[in-house]
Amino acid sequence: QLHLQESGPGVVKPSETLSLICSVSGGSVRSSTYYWSWIRQPPGKGLESIGTVDFTGNTYYSPSVESRVTISVDASKNEFSLSLTSVTAADTAVYYCATLEKYLPFDNWGQGTLVTVSS
Amino acid sequence: DIQMTQSPSSLSASVGDKVTITCRASQSISGFLNWYQQKPGKAPKVLIYGTSALQTGVPSRFSGRGSGTDFVLTISGLQPEDFATYYCQQSYSTPYTFGPGTKVEIK
Repeated sequence: QLHLQESGPGVVKPSETLSLICSVSGGSVRSSTYYWSWIRQPPGKGLESIGTVDFTGNTYYSPSVESRVTISVDASKNEFSLSLTSVTAADTAVYYCATLEKYLPFDNWGQGTLVTVSS
Repeated sequence: DIQMTQSPSSLSASVGDKVTITCRASQSISGFLNWYQQKPGKAPKVLIYGTSALQTGVPSRFSGRGSGTDFVLTISGLQPEDFATYYCQQSYSTPYTFGPGTKVEIK
């Protein structure tokens, strides 16, 4: 059973870059089985899929953030990361890392980490 | 990307009621439709995957059906622990989009 854990700063200043890491245990980010994803949820609102990376490093981003986002895998640390540039208050959210297998649901989630964009 | 809609956005129901939530995709997703339950402060939990398959450990009062673009989640005999927000999500193509959610509240 995979275990995921998000880490990163809880506060980011406007116009700066939000960076989060998802540490993976119980499995390898090199696995061809899983797609590694970031999902966010603004306070009191719904879930938004930010993007996904597969074991080859191919990435798939939501059009709403595509110009500002990078998701990548670090196999040497068994983790994957999220970078979101030029943040505004609208990027304040709980950020989850999660995995799925192709055509299946997100069945492994981190506990989520709240990131607040504020000066 | 594929847009997902849900209705209603919220509903009030009593323990024991039958509840139905609908989800529509902007294009056919070939049955790759999943349902989640989320409670405050928690990550979502999978209830149903592939339109109608019950996730291990999920009570049989939850069921799903549908095809193409239209899908339904039914809770037969609402229990106190079922008061939560429910999301549909398509895993047919990236980005793997979610519906806006349906909040089930106590009447």
